[in-house]
Amino acid sequence: QVQLVQSGPEVKNPGSSVKVSCKAPGDSFRFYAFSWVRQAPGQGPEWLGGIIPVFGTADYSKKFQDRVTITADESTTTVYMILTNLKSEDTAFYYCARERLPGNHLYYMDVWGQGTPVIVSS
Amino acid sequence: ETVLTQSPDTLSLSPGERATFSCRASQRISSAYIAWYQQRVGQAPRLLIYGASNRATAVPDRFSGSGSGTDFTLTISRLEPEDFATYYCQQYGVSPYNFGQGTKLEIK
Repeated sequence: QVQLVQSGPEVKNPGSSVKVSCKAPGDSFRFYAFSWVRQAPGQGPEWLGGIIPVFGTADYSKKFQDRVTITADESTTTVYMILTNLKSEDTAFYYCARERLPGNHLYYMDVWGQGTPVIVSS
Repeated sequence: ETVLTQSPDTLSLSPGERATFSCRASQRISSAYIAWYQQRVGQAPRLLIYGASNRATAVPDRFSGSGSGTDFTLTISRLEPEDFATYYCQQYGVSPYNFGQGTKLEIK
């Protein structure tokens, strides 16, 4: 069973930044679309952005594009998400997720990481 | 930005009944790039349907999707106890690839 393995829980102060990692299997890593999705308590999922490693350039939701950076490291088959200027409203589970098949480059999500809880509190 | 509106917010049904979920988009979704997800409490979403009508791997055939343009439907033909969860639609035609607000399926 394919797994995406994310980094552990984070507790951050308002105004700081968080970096979450997502280790993916190596098979065709560079040809998949990877997304970062967050879910606040009691809320629906929210797409922050994504990346297709073979192209290198990330695609961001306008809501987050000033604060989020998504990168991919092909040597370690790991995707990263950095969110800056954290606010209490950023408290949520952060998921990385991958499309079903390589090469289609579509941002729907078939394989999900376990989620990383990020708590923003002073 | 494409907004997805799901209805109803909550659906109360009994095991064995048929469930129908609606997802309406604020603009036409190209190539029927609509996905449906199931989310149980404490778990990540699970892909059920992609391309509006294609079942994902290992999804039972009681789940089906349909629709085109701006109106899409997820149907569960005969509810099993494990189907009671929250369901989300998502469009992946135009960035940002938004989700709907969800429909909670509860036991009547």
